[in-house]
Amino acid sequence: DTGVSQDPRHKITKRGQNVTFRCDPISEHNRLYWYRQTLGQGPEFLTYFQNEAQLEKSRLLSDRFSAERPKGSFSTLEIQRTEQGDSAMYLCASSPSRGDNEQFFGPGTRLTVL
Amino acid sequence: QQQVKQSPQSLIVQKGGISIINCAYENTAFDYFPWYQQFPGKGPALLIAIRPDVSEKKEGRFTISFNKSAKQFSLHIMDSQPGDSATYFCAASRRGGDTGRRALTFGSGTRLQVQP
Repeated sequence: DTGVSQDPRHKITKRGQNVTFRCDPISEHNRLYWYRQTLGQGPEFLTYFQNEAQLEKSRLLSDRFSAERPKGSFSTLEIQRTEQGDSAMYLCASSPSRGDNEQFFGPGTRLTVL
Repeated sequence: QQQVKQSPQSLIVQKGGISIINCAYENTAFDYFPWYQQFPGKGPALLIAIRPDVSEKKEGRFTISFNKSAKQFSLHIMDSQPGDSATYFCAASRRGGDTGRRALTFGSGTRLQVQP
């Protein structure tokens, strides 16, 4: 499978715990995005990487959230001191730098904070 | 500020019928308008996309109609099938300056049910 993969697919945690999600983009894509989707809503942009550089962060990304993309390959999204309001689907998307920049989404990580 | 407004929230269509979903945007800097299909528990999948220099784009049973002056665009699904039952999202993006960022702004989604 050459699509975007995310791990884990589901995560249940207790409030106050830290969680980390991983995204493996399509190999030739140098652009990577993280989005958050709550039930019944469209995805909302969180942050953007071009290669290893994190070039933009949404105001939705509080200081408890941090993302990395070492070596411009896979990316991780960490949430510290989780809150119940963090419960959502976290989606990763990648796109090439040329063309219409179509974004291809992974299956997402469903986070439930108890 | 909801930059992309989508309607209807839900839609029921008979098999073989035409499904029509509408979106309106506010930011005239948007220059790329994709539609995504999402099944429960899955990530959104790109269906079809259009740029504002054309008024219509067709791929198979899916057609986007674009009205730049009205700042509206719509998805038409011809010969709708039960397998088309999913949630559909319109989206829009613009180039983010020197970063090349093209973060998508999504509508709130339309839940389509195609009855056999």
